[in-house]
Amino acid sequence: DTGVSQDPRHKITKRGQNVTFRCDPISEHNRLYWYRQTLGQGPEFLTYFQNEAQLEKSRLLSDRFSAERPKGSFSTLEIQRTEQGDSAMYLCASSQQGEEKLFFGSGTQLSVL
Amino acid sequence: RKEVEQDPGPFNVPEGATVAFNCTYSNSASQSFFWYRQDCRKEPKLLMSVYSSGNEDGRFTAQLNRASQYISLLIRDSKLSDSATYLCVVSLAAGGSYIPTFGRGTSLIVHP
Repeated sequence: DTGVSQDPRHKITKRGQNVTFRCDPISEHNRLYWYRQTLGQGPEFLTYFQNEAQLEKSRLLSDRFSAERPKGSFSTLEIQRTEQGDSAMYLCASSQQGEEKLFFGSGTQLSVL
Repeated sequence: RKEVEQDPGPFNVPEGATVAFNCTYSNSASQSFFWYRQDCRKEPKLLMSVYSSGNEDGRFTAQLNRASQYISLLIRDSKLSDSATYLCVVSLAAGGSYIPTFGRGTSLIVHP
């Protein structure tokens, strides 16, 4: 399968714990996006990368959220000191530069107890 | 005002009906426009791009009205399998980048 893959599919954690999610984009795509989606809402933009450069991060929800894409391939999204309000689906998408069509992974469903 | 607005519905229509969704956006500098489809508990998938001249793909027709800042999606001869949430996406300018920004989605239920 050469689509976008995300790991894990589900994560249950206790409030206050740190969590990290991984996204592997389509190999020839140099742009990678992170979104968060809650029930009944559309995906909410968090941040994106072009190759290894993080070009927009002002919409990360708080300083507890951070993302990396160290070698311009896979990316990680970390949430520190999780809160119950962080419970959501975290979606990763990739695209080719100049082509704004997004291809999404299946997402990571986070539940904070 | 939200950057991209959609009526959440649900739109409940019989098979064979024609249904139309609208989406409005706030930034006149927006560059690109798309419709995505999202099935329950699945990721969004691209349905079609939207061009100023309008475009059609089978039973689906998308239109862009830049003057009024809205896009539309028309579905003809609805099928049961069209039941899903339809997400409007607009690339909004932000800090030198264009960010694909989603509406909240419009739910469509097609019944027998």
